[in-house]
Amino acid sequence: RKEVEQDPGPFNVPEGATVAFNCTYSNSASQSFFWYRQDCRKEPKLLMSVYSSGNEDGRFTAQLNRASQYISLLIRDSKLSDSATYLCVVNLLGGATNKLIFGTGTLLAVQP
Amino acid sequence: NAGVTQTPKFQVLKTGQSMTLQCAQDMNHNSMYWYRQDPGMGLRLIYYSASEGTTDKGEVPNGYNVSRLNKREFSLRLESAAPSQTSVYFCASSEPGRGNTIYFGEGSWLTVV
Repeated sequence: RKEVEQDPGPFNVPEGATVAFNCTYSNSASQSFFWYRQDCRKEPKLLMSVYSSGNEDGRFTAQLNRASQYISLLIRDSKLSDSATYLCVVNLLGGATNKLIFGTGTLLAVQP
Repeated sequence: NAGVTQTPKFQVLKTGQSMTLQCAQDMNHNSMYWYRQDPGMGLRLIYYSASEGTTDKGEVPNGYNVSRLNKREFSLRLESAAPSQTSVYFCASSEPGRGNTIYFGEGSWLTVV
């Protein structure tokens, strides 16, 4: 079983739609969680961290369920510019170092 | 502010050749990483360095060696390239800690023929 699993998609949605991505992780000792965005042929960039209480950044909402080892990302009012691959990321270590494990990514295509 | 810089951006190698991918960061980060990204496999950790003078294996270290030359630089070496090492390689750095962002270089596209 992969340490971080995501639905690869693609998710094809019209502009203005709400779309949700899910991610599960296998290591219950995972310390911290993130969503990264990767555009085609570019490097990944941090979209947002995911906190236990859930957090929101504009149109983006991230949630964490430690009991179920499950992370989600909700995008409201999708824009064409949201088209990208969204990577779920888990940090297995804490304290003195990071060991980040990436999911394979979920491809989002927002259609006009 | 350059962030994370890696070279070369593109390289074609013949099977059996050796090469080194260079990476440098100017953010004074302690931790540095090398990942490879393949279609359907996502980003996989090759090696990481928690701090200057230390290196550790990641998920897929076979066929690679690394050197943490100093705090700024972390190089990845392919001693005898194989077609299976055709991939996009990303160097990254971060400051240790639960909430700290990892910053990536722009990637190196390597083809082994």
